[in-house]
Amino acid sequence: EDQVTQSPEALRLQEGESSSLNCSYTVSGLRGLFWYRQDPGKGPEFLFTLYSAGEEKEKERLKATLTKKESFLHITAPKPEDSATYLCAVQASKSGGSYIPTFGRGTSLIVHP
Amino acid sequence: AAGVIQSPRHLIKEKRETATLKCYPIPRHDTVYWYQQGPGQDPQFLISFYEKMQSDKGSIPDRFSAQQFSDYHSELNMSSLELGDSALYFCASSLGRGANVLTFGAGSRLTVL
Repeated sequence: EDQVTQSPEALRLQEGESSSLNCSYTVSGLRGLFWYRQDPGKGPEFLFTLYSAGEEKEKERLKATLTKKESFLHITAPKPEDSATYLCAVQASKSGGSYIPTFGRGTSLIVHP
Repeated sequence: AAGVIQSPRHLIKEKRETATLKCYPIPRHDTVYWYQQGPGQDPQFLISFYEKMQSDKGSIPDRFSAQQFSDYHSELNMSSLELGDSALYFCASSLGRGANVLTFGAGSRLTVL
């Protein structure tokens, strides 16, 4: 069974204080790992897809990296508007052509001004 | 750009009542997914449809049913509602079953009293 564990559950940072969020996963054949941002009461918003170990993607203050067992979402010099829940999801390679992502519980990030 | 549209955004029902949620995917997207997210929980996959046929089934209760119509919109029907059904229900759409990026709607918040 595919499993995704995110840590920490909650993270409070001061504006400008860089940090990293962790996503550990267990999947039989990784097809893709995704990071989503979710604001309160809203649907997840896609950020990145990573496909293979060693891959990195960047977007503004966010940088996602991937190893064979985990992914990190690095936040550099965060701003209050980066406050949100960050969800990690994995998609396994399965026969039959269906690839339903399995989500973790997310890390709730609060950035104080 | 058009996004995934869900209605209603908020719904309040009594126990044992029925509820219907609607989802209109992004134009030309042929695959629809339904997720349930309880407070502080990860999104749990319920069911998906591809080209109007059920594609994958997750942890959807027997009291729930869903379908995708000829115009690709989908409806999630929930009967004999229980207090535990209170949650955010997200619909997502993609182009193709093997798509690795899901676009989520803003969600429908169901409260069962």
